[in-house]
Amino acid sequence: GAGVSQSPRYKVAKRGQDVALRCDPISGHVSLFWYQQALGQGPEFLTYFQNEAQLDKSGLPSDRFFAERPEGSVSTLKIQRTQQEDSAVYLCASSLGTGGADTQYFGPGTRLTVL
Amino acid sequence: KQEVTQIPAALSVPEGENLVLNCSFTDSAIYNLQWFRQDPGKGLTSLLLIQSSQREQTSGRLNASLDKSSGRSTLYIAASQPGDSATYLCAVIGGANNLFFGTGTRLTVIP
Repeated sequence: GAGVSQSPRYKVAKRGQDVALRCDPISGHVSLFWYQQALGQGPEFLTYFQNEAQLDKSGLPSDRFFAERPEGSVSTLKIQRTQQEDSAVYLCASSLGTGGADTQYFGPGTRLTVL
Repeated sequence: KQEVTQIPAALSVPEGENLVLNCSFTDSAIYNLQWFRQDPGKGLTSLLLIQSSQREQTSGRLNASLDKSSGRSTLYIAASQPGDSATYLCAVIGGANNLFFGTGTRLTVIP
């Protein structure tokens, strides 16, 4: 079956531009996660959705970052007024249930470069 | 906050060798630990998931162990192959559902 997909795969933005990154989770998966991976680092948690509810946004680095999942499936991560330090790979993951025992399945990521 | 450390940061081995990757974490109150593989420009592929009540999991040439009390996990790869070359990431889940990742070990298997 189809895995987690993300679009675009690559995005170049000028500093100050707004960007929107899309995640299509595996169909039927309740949980959805966004992570940020800087070059040479492990992914870091940004935010978590259970269906359409955003239950944890403690990892969002600033109020320029906003995420939504209005119908409990597709999610969008929006970054306003991009800065150079926002350059990273943004990974989306989904899992079937809501428990810590569930495997998270990752998409290929969106590589954002802010010039 | 949970801190996850992986040693070594990079490793090169000749084909056929057995090898061990190490992972340590500071907070032993975890639900599970996962080992992932990441190829350049690609997402993460889950290799093994060990529940907190388990001590090890095996899949093919891979064996992962977990010692929760000491905050350590190892990933053992037997008879390494060039196709095993990738970055290996260790991650733990604690009270929240999100994963805490280490910085990874970049493995190169030389033919």
